[in-house]
Amino acid sequence: DVKVTQSSRYLVKRTGEKVFLECVQDMDHENMFWYRQDPGLGLRLIYFSYDVKMKEKGDIPEGYSVSREKKERFSLILESASTNQTSMYLCASTTPAVAKNIQYFGAGTRLSVL
Amino acid sequence: AQRVTQPEKLLSVFKGAPVELKCNYSYSGSPELFWYVQYSRQRLQLLLRHISRESIKGFTADLNKGETSFHLKKPFAQEEDSAMYYCALSGPGFQKLVFGTGTRLLVSP
Repeated sequence: DVKVTQSSRYLVKRTGEKVFLECVQDMDHENMFWYRQDPGLGLRLIYFSYDVKMKEKGDIPEGYSVSREKKERFSLILESASTNQTSMYLCASTTPAVAKNIQYFGAGTRLSVL
Repeated sequence: AQRVTQPEKLLSVFKGAPVELKCNYSYSGSPELFWYVQYSRQRLQLLLRHISRESIKGFTADLNKGETSFHLKKPFAQEEDSAMYYCALSGPGFQKLVFGTGTRLLVSP
């Protein structure tokens, strides 16, 4: 069974802080994604990675960066958190080899920026 | 540009009533369409995808290329169907998904 684990369920940070959101998957998936989920806006793709050290911008990358140093781990970084980044953040992973286009999601991190 | 439209934010029905959650898409090629579901306090998970052509938990969805729609249907709603439903589209390359804004289904007893 695929497991995608996000390190924190809830996070409260102050404006201007540097924030790290961590995601680990245990199924050797090549592709990993970061989304934010907002009421009325659905899921919007922030960044994705299709290999170690590779990253691509999604639809809303501004204010975010990512890091993928190991295949199983994909980190989302808020360089200087702002109140408009208060949201639910979802990590997902997939592999073309076995489950084409089926993304497996983590439980989410609810981030509040005060 | 790829786009998924779910026109209803909230759909409220009584138990036993038929349910149809609407999804329309725009895509220039041959897309792959999905329905994902998020039950209360659970993670987002795949419900079904059009290429499987299967019924999951009594739900079905047919891809209508002429109307560019992928509506989710169930003949008799159950209270446990209450959840947030997202329609998603995948195009070529890197398995990215484009999600709709979601429809909350509320099934009352």
